[in-house]
Amino acid sequence: EAQVTQNPRYLITVTGKKLTVTCSQNMNHEYMSWYRQDPGLGLRQIYYSMNVEVTDKGDVPEGYKVSRKEKRNFPLILESPSPNQTSLYFCASRPLLVGNEKLFFGSGTQLSVL
Amino acid sequence: GEDVEQSLFLSVREGDSSVINCTYTDSSSTYLYWYKQEPGAGLQLLTYIFSNMDMKQDQRLTVLLNKKDKHLSLRIADTQTGDSAIYFCAEIPLYNTDKLIFGTGTRLQVFP
Repeated sequence: EAQVTQNPRYLITVTGKKLTVTCSQNMNHEYMSWYRQDPGLGLRQIYYSMNVEVTDKGDVPEGYKVSRKEKRNFPLILESPSPNQTSLYFCASRPLLVGNEKLFFGSGTQLSVL
Repeated sequence: GEDVEQSLFLSVREGDSSVINCTYTDSSSTYLYWYKQEPGAGLQLLTYIFSNMDMKQDQRLTVLLNKKDKHLSLRIADTQTGDSAIYFCAEIPLYNTDKLIFGTGTRLQVFP
């Protein structure tokens, strides 16, 4: 089954404790992206990647890191989480084709930073 | 600038039509999308429209695009309780086709 898999679904942590949210897709998509969803703000892009070893900042990259060592994986790293990073996070992927920008989303990771 | 706005809530009776509206400020967008987010799930693409089209119909869904007013709407005919979800419009601006800009989302509540 074609899917984008994020782990964990729920995570509670404390300020300053490094964490990683994993994302994996089995559709051989070149493009992968991370979003955070906050009430009244919709989805805002954190980072995206057009292919292996190519990553770019989105609209709200501060406090986050990503890596793209393999095509299927795109982990989101919070080196020193802070309470304002409490949010619902989504990973998404799509093929890199003009005119076919349908994004496939993971089920989300609800992160709480205390 | 880039800003996509939607009203936060919409409540309709089962069987009625729902109309969810979206306004955007970047007139150079190429594609415009409607995504649906059910509780506890990620977003799923419902439908999309290319910017040179005025209307697109797909079963119970009708998308209307008014480029002059920068207004996009999604009409759901015969709304069902299963349509209760958050609906996001999104656009791809011409200046950066790598980017998908989402609206704030409209929570649709369908009551019997």
